[in-house]
Amino acid sequence: DAGVIQSPRHEVTEMGQEVTLRCKPISGHDYLFWYRQTMMRGLELLIYFNNNVPIDDSGMPEDRFSAKMPNASFSTLKIQPSEPRDSAVYFCASSFPPGAGLSYGYTFGSGTRLTVV
Amino acid sequence: GESVGLHLPTLSVQEGDNSIINCAYSNSASDYFIWYKQESGKGPQFIIDIRSNMDKRQGQRVTVLLNKTVKHLSLQIAATQPGDSAVYFCAEKKRLSYGGSQGNLIFGKGTKLSVKP
Repeated sequence: DAGVIQSPRHEVTEMGQEVTLRCKPISGHDYLFWYRQTMMRGLELLIYFNNNVPIDDSGMPEDRFSAKMPNASFSTLKIQPSEPRDSAVYFCASSFPPGAGLSYGYTFGSGTRLTVV
Repeated sequence: GESVGLHLPTLSVQEGDNSIINCAYSNSASDYFIWYKQESGKGPQFIIDIRSNMDKRQGQRVTVLLNKTVKHLSLQIAATQPGDSAVYFCAEKKRLSYGGSQGNLIFGKGTKLSVKP
């Protein structure tokens, strides 16, 4: 298995532009999570999906952020318009459902480093 | 990803020594705990987990101890190697009030482990 795949690895954009981050979870994982990591705030959960349905988006900073999961193998996180304070590393993670007899530990992707100038 | 903050607690050990990384978790209702390792430029990687009905769990060179009385979690690494240098995060999952066990993981701020050759 190739693990959780995120693209792009690095993104530099100008303030006001739209940014789309992409994620392919591990096949068979029913849960998908989007996290943001900064030096000041650490790892913050933005939103998570179960079976492609958004369950909790209370961590999404504001209306400029949106996430979709059109099918079990793909999710996007979009920021429109982007601002310099959105600069961070964005991680996608996926996991098995609890009670599946398997570890509940998330598998993280390698992240997308976003820089908004 | 640059997960190391300017004020992350740092533990410096000599190669071959044992390391103990501590974590105080916040919620007495948490029923599942995980330790993650994050190397520079990578996403967090699952190390070991433990459920709240256990006090200790051992893996390969790693042991996690859980003290629910004082809400304390520790990760012990035996015979620490240079490859163990990373930021280590503990994470807790809270059991939801309706009895389900699904919930997102809450990550601690992390501890930087530095191994001196």
